[in-house]
Amino acid sequence: EAQVTQNPRYLITVTGKKLTVTCSQNMNHEYMSWYRQDPGLGLRQIYYSMNVEVTDKGDVPEGYKVSRKEKRNFPLILESPSPNQTSLYFCASKYSRVSSHEQYFGPGTRLTVT
Amino acid sequence: KNQVEQSPQSLIILEGKNCTLQCNYTVSPFSNLRWYKQDTGRGPVSLTIMTFSENTKSNGRYTATLDADTKQSSLHITASQLSDSASYICVVTRADGLTFGKGTHLIIQP
Repeated sequence: EAQVTQNPRYLITVTGKKLTVTCSQNMNHEYMSWYRQDPGLGLRQIYYSMNVEVTDKGDVPEGYKVSRKEKRNFPLILESPSPNQTSLYFCASKYSRVSSHEQYFGPGTRLTVT
Repeated sequence: KNQVEQSPQSLIILEGKNCTLQCNYTVSPFSNLRWYKQDTGRGPVSLTIMTFSENTKSNGRYTATLDADTKQSSLHITASQLSDSASYICVVTRADGLTFGKGTHLIIQP
């Protein structure tokens, strides 16, 4: 089954403790991205990657890092999480950056930073 | 400034009734417009996509319209079902990225 998977689905952590949220897709997609979704603000793009070893900042990149060493994986790294990073995070992928290609979202990771 | 405004913010209707959700945008340059459905606790799923030249697009009981002159889109849901309860997000694609609306939260009551 074609899908985007994220792990973990739920995470509670403390301020400053480094964490990684994994994202994997099995559709051989070139383009992957991370979003956060907050009440009243909608979805905002954190980082995106157009292909292996090619990453770029989205609208809200501060406090986050990403890497794209393999085509299928695009982990999101929070080196020193803070409470304002408490949010619902979605990984997404699509075949390429071409605008007409459909973007597939993962199931989401709910992160709480205390 | 690139913006996508959706209305209403939330809506409650009875099962079997129709409803229309609105999306106004100021995004430029425009590539296409998508409507997504997001069930609670899940990722968004694409319902329709429309390019500049398309006025209407249907997907089962969902019909989206686009007026590129007034920069308005609507999503009409016919004969609503309990499973239609979700958030509906309008997304406009620019040449250099996406602009998301904040969504309309729809509740279908039995």
